[in-house]
Amino acid sequence: QVTLRESGPALVRPRQTLTLTCSFTGFSLTSTGMSVSWIRQPPGKALEWLARIDWDDDKYYSTSLKTRLTISKDTSKNQVVLTVTNMDPADTATYYCARLYANRWPPTALDVWGQGTRVTVSS
Amino acid sequence: EIVLTQSPGTLSLSPGETATLSCRASQSVSSNYLAWYQQKPGQAPRLLIYGTSRRATDIPDRFSGSGSGADFTFTISRLEPEDFAVYYCHHYDSSSTWTFGQGTKVEIK
Repeated sequence: QVTLRESGPALVRPRQTLTLTCSFTGFSLTSTGMSVSWIRQPPGKALEWLARIDWDDDKYYSTSLKTRLTISKDTSKNQVVLTVTNMDPADTATYYCARLYANRWPPTALDVWGQGTRVTVSS
Repeated sequence: EIVLTQSPGTLSLSPGETATLSCRASQSVSSNYLAWYQQKPGQAPRLLIYGTSRRATDIPDRFSGSGSGADFTFTISRLEPEDFAVYYCHHYDSSSTWTFGQGTKVEIK
């Protein structure tokens, strides 16, 4: 069974760095075609894709946020970590991680999601 | 960067009716990389359609997708009470950054 679970602080102060961890089971990020993404959703607003890391360590970032984001993986721990620098109240959101496994054509998009972790930015 | 624009913002329909949602890209995209998700309050999104028209595992056939180029359509035939939710389109080309539409809410009339 494939599962993902996000973890991290619920409250962050402005200008601090947020570090979120996505822990997953049921698949390996060393498998060809596997990737994990981070997506966020401010309260009452739309989904916003943030970053993606692929099985071969290729990394992609949102154009508008790329200067503040860093994504990395630890395949031995089955974890993906996202850091967001210089946090602002506008970054208050639920942060999700999700998997895409491109083992068929066309690729099946983000087929498994974590339940999300809520992050509030406030002094 | 590709921008996805969904319309309408809100669709008010009754159970049993058909919902037709639109997703327009700012430029032509590959139909292999267009997906639709359903999200209910307090829940994570759920994948319904990938590759424009392919249903994900265990998704009923009342959900369907079509389109090409820059214009894509998502249809729910015979709306069930559990279908009232927010729907997002998503472009996920493996060689580029990704994007979501702003969502369409399907509400009970």
